Amino acid sequence: AIQMTQSPSSLSASVGDRVTITCRASQDIRNELGWYQQKSGTAPKLLIYAASNLQSGVPSRFSGSGSGTDFTLTISSLQPEDFATYYCLQDFNYPWTFGQGTQVEVK
Amino acid sequence: QVQLQESGPGLVKPSQTLSLTCTVSGDSINKGGYYWSWIRQRPGKGLEWIGSIYYSGSAYYNPSLKSRITVSVDTSKTQFSLTLNSVTAADTAVYYCARGSITVVRGVVGFDYWGQGTLATVSS
Repeated sequence: AIQMTQSPSSLSASVGDRVTITCRASQDIRNELGWYQQKSGTAPKLLIYAASNLQSGVPSRFSGSGSGTDFTLTISSLQPEDFATYYCLQDFNYPWTFGQGTQVEVK
Repeated sequence: QVQLQESGPGLVKPSQTLSLTCTVSGDSINKGGYYWSWIRQRPGKGLEWIGSIYYSGSAYYNPSLKSRITVSVDTSKTQFSLTLNSVTAADTAVYYCARGSITVVRGVVGFDYWGQGTLATVSS
């Protein structure tokens, strides 16, 4: 199975900060990666698909980049509602695998 | 508006079978371009993909669950189901159902609609 390694596992940031989360795949997955946001006690929400495509309704401060094995999720200006846990997911081949998550906390 | 709702027993005894159902409203479950999936989250842990079934009937499962799982679709009821056999305490988790989308223009979109999740506890 493809291993997805996210970093950092957690970070502390302030409103207005630029936040970057990375995800590395154990093999080439082309651009077949999504990013999800999960707030405590709720289902995950799709933010980015195919590495860099913003899902409908998601604020433009979220962006994704990368291909092959290295990917990045960037929040250009952190908002209060963005404090959550973020996961990457490779859907290149089965079994689909998630990263371990990055918790974004209030500094 | 597409909505998914999980249902099933909250408590299952070890070695028994966990059966969960996801009821889909607001869209057709037998339309092409979708895959219907189960994802779980053990307490305090990350997300784990369990399995998916396509409109064609093709199903794919996480090999970590070996041969214990089955995902099926009942188009007449706009439902899809998860069956997990021989459960242990390690199967205690919140189980989410989700819709995945594939389009000609956008390719694989991913899980764009989710249920709210249902906690299944394995305990005697």
